[in-house]
Amino acid sequence: DAKTTQPPSMDCAEGRAANLPCNHSTISGNEYVYWYRQIHSQGPQYIIHGLKNNETNEMASLIITEDRKSSTLILPHATLRDTAVYYCIVYSNTGKLIFGQGTTLQVKP
Amino acid sequence: GAVVSQHPSWVICKSGTSVKIECRSLDFQATTMFWYRQFPKQSLMLMATSNEGSKATYEQGVEKDKFLINHASLTLSTLTVTSAHPEDSSFYICSARSQLPFYGYTFGSGTRLTVV
Repeated sequence: DAKTTQPPSMDCAEGRAANLPCNHSTISGNEYVYWYRQIHSQGPQYIIHGLKNNETNEMASLIITEDRKSSTLILPHATLRDTAVYYCIVYSNTGKLIFGQGTTLQVKP
Repeated sequence: GAVVSQHPSWVICKSGTSVKIECRSLDFQATTMFWYRQFPKQSLMLMATSNEGSKATYEQGVEKDKFLINHASLTLSTLTVTSAHPEDSSFYICSARSQLPFYGYTFGSGTRLTVV
């Protein structure tokens, strides 16, 4: 499975957009990018996923670069409840979801 | 849709005893489920893949005789920690692959195991 690299931590002001980057330079053509988040002592929560087109849902937007070597998760108006660890995962047809270290996002008032 | 229920949410047991954790897909069928372990301030580590009607596949370094996995139906997988020791204390999380409302993995809420 392709490796991902994320900054260990980020801060964001409440009400502002949170932009979380992820590098996945070894991604293959048929591998998807998934984003999950984990709030303390809970199971991970699905946010969004994409292959090569940008995606948007009620939670977030996912911007994937044209070469697919990196992506950015955008939370348009961060709230205090968005404080969590965010995981960027490259999923392949091995069927396994392998977690990296993620980015701890702290939303501050 | 795509809800995974995990039970119990927390358990305390004595060293040497066994503990069973259940993972259920409530509104979909899951031929494959996954078990993870997470230590404090660390990421999730995949332990094993649970396949309905067949033996589980364990990741390298995970003791299959200690962590018994049974996936007897399309909606239930169980993880039994046998002869538990304090070092087995951890947060155990299951997940199942669903197709609706999104094609991906839905996670349970986790089980906090404390061995005393």
